[in-house]
Amino acid sequence: QVQLVQSGAEEKKPGASVKLSCKTSGYDFTARYIHWLRQAPGQGLEWLGWINPGSGDTKYSQKFQGRVTVTRDTSMRTAYMELTGLTSDDTAFYHCSTDPGSRSFDPWGQGTLVTVSS
Amino acid sequence: DIVVIQSPDSLAVSLGERATINCKSSQSVLDSSNNENYLHWYQHKPGQPPKLLIYWASIRASGVPDRFSGSGSGTDFTLTISSLQAEDVAVYYCQQYYTAPPTFGQGTNLEIK
Repeated sequence: QVQLVQSGAEEKKPGASVKLSCKTSGYDFTARYIHWLRQAPGQGLEWLGWINPGSGDTKYSQKFQGRVTVTRDTSMRTAYMELTGLTSDDTAFYHCSTDPGSRSFDPWGQGTLVTVSS
Repeated sequence: DIVVIQSPDSLAVSLGERATINCKSSQSVLDSSNNENYLHWYQHKPGQPPKLLIYWASIRASGVPDRFSGSGSGTDFTLTISSLQAEDVAVYYCQQYYTAPPTFGQGTNLEIK
């Protein structure tokens, strides 16, 4: 079955960058877009962007444009999300997910907690 | 961006009773080219990632019990749990992806009465 396993929790200082990974298995890596989403404490779900693993094309939320970069390594079946210029507002669980073709998100990675604090 | 609003924000239902959650989008999410509504429902339990329940407004995802059903079209949608079980306690979200960026409702916290 499709599985997404994310890297471990991160603690960063304001102004720093973080790069998270999402290792996939159980399907053709190039057949599904990979999305990154986040949920801050007590907040709702927010979409950051996607990558087409086949072509490497990306699309980002305007809110994060210029701060987020999504890449992939097809040989490792892994997607990466780098977020720069971190502030305390970026403290959140970050999830990767795939689009099975319906423009929904299924399944989700287990999530990576990123804590930004001085 | 399409705004998605759920109601109610929280809901308490007795075991075995029906639970209904509503979702309204600021514009239609119906794609006339394929007659599909790009509106999906998720269940989110503490300590777990969100789980897809319903896609295209009314199709249950693989393994989802048939007590969960989705309905609606255009801008107004409903998630119904026909007979609430203890394991259904969670936050439920609707999400649209008719146009980018995909956006979520604020969530509905479902509890046992």
